[in-house]
Amino acid sequence: EVQLVQSGGGLVQPGGSLRLSCAASGFTFSDHYMDWVRQAPGKGLEWVGRTRNKANSYITRYGASVKGRFTISRDDSNNSLYLQMNGLKIEDTAVYYCGRVQLGSSSDALDIWGQGTMVTVSS
Amino acid sequence: DIQMTQSPSTLSASVGDRVTITCRASQSINSWLAWYQQKPGKAPKLLIYDASSLQSGVPSRFSGSGSGTEFTLTISSLQPDDFATYYCQQYNSYSPELTFGGGTKVEIK
Repeated sequence: EVQLVQSGGGLVQPGGSLRLSCAASGFTFSDHYMDWVRQAPGKGLEWVGRTRNKANSYITRYGASVKGRFTISRDDSNNSLYLQMNGLKIEDTAVYYCGRVQLGSSSDALDIWGQGTMVTVSS
Repeated sequence: DIQMTQSPSTLSASVGDRVTITCRASQSINSWLAWYQQKPGKAPKLLIYDASSLQSGVPSRFSGSGSGTEFTLTISSLQPDDFATYYCQQYNSYSPELTFGGGTKVEIK
């Protein structure tokens, strides 16, 4: 079965750090770009960032609101994706999703999503 | 940045209705647009990619159209399972690479 299973998350104080993980199975993880998307409580979807694949030099890109604080990495040998979040702010409180970028899609659609993990930033 | 504007933000409809949701881009995005369905507490589900291509396993009552700056998602005959929130998403090669619309909640009338 093609799936993404997330772990990590929880409650952290402002200024703190947290690492999210996303384990892939059922497909060739190394072929795909992978994204993180978040959703604040009661709000819409916000793109957090992307890691490209080895063929594209593992280039990473980030949304403006997290650039310089969050780092996306991947371990193709373990079919895993990571999101390291530093300098967390209250406004980073959200459900975080990992997503697989569909191959052959000009719109870079996310065709497989993790189940989501809640991150709460509060004192 | 490219802005994506969805309308309406809320839509009340009955089972069997034909439903249309619109997404407008602040500049041309060719056909680089996808549509998702999200139910409460669940991850989004891809419905349409490249503006009009139906994702595998998605019922044929869902269809997408448009190019450039104006796009539509149509549900030809609304079913009970379709009451959810729908998002459009655009791709461009600059940052942010993906941008989502604000969402359209389809409610029972």
